[in-house]
Amino acid sequence: KNQVEQSPQSLIILEGKNCTLQCNYTVSPFSNLRWYKQDTGRGPVSLTIMTFSENTKSNGRYTATLDADTKQSSLHITASQLSDSASYICVVSAIFGNEKLTFGTGTRLTIIP
Amino acid sequence: NAGVTQTPKFQVLKTGQSMTLQCAQDMNHNSMYWYRQDPGMGLRLIYYSASEGTTDKGEVPNGYNVSRLNKREFSLRLESAAPSQTSVYFCASSEKQGSRNYGYTFGSGTRLTVV
Repeated sequence: KNQVEQSPQSLIILEGKNCTLQCNYTVSPFSNLRWYKQDTGRGPVSLTIMTFSENTKSNGRYTATLDADTKQSSLHITASQLSDSASYICVVSAIFGNEKLTFGTGTRLTIIP
Repeated sequence: NAGVTQTPKFQVLKTGQSMTLQCAQDMNHNSMYWYRQDPGMGLRLIYYSASEGTTDKGEVPNGYNVSRLNKREFSLRLESAAPSQTSVYFCASSEKQGSRNYGYTFGSGTRLTVV
């Protein structure tokens, strides 16, 4: 069964600090991995998407890495801001005929001043 | 602003009542989806429509029906609501090219409570 596990479940850090969120997956056949940001009461918004051949993808202060051999990904947030408070969801795509997305449960990040 | 629009944003139903959740996208995407999001679980696919005129079951279709009214609109209907259908529902759309989907965009969600 395809699964996506994220850690930690929740994280609290001081404004200005860096943090790293983890994603482990058992999805086959792997197509791509996406990170989404979901603000409270809103829908998920795409941050990055990486295919098998991409190790790193950046979007401003967000940098995602992918190790397809160990089936792990991380999302690093640099110089955190209060607006970074949100849930971050890892989504892994498999293609077997049609594309199928498997969603992680998310990491709830809280930035405190 | 371009995107996916869902209505209503909030709804409370009594067990056994019916309702339709509406979704419209203005990005000219071919594919549209309905997901539900429950505490402690990842988003789960209820139904999807790969193109206008087609619909298919997702992971958790029981208790739901859908209609792809045209390319823009995709509605989700609960015929007889149950407390287990209390959830946050998200509509999404994407552009399908071959087997892959691009530009996945989600609406803001409908928070549904069934009492």
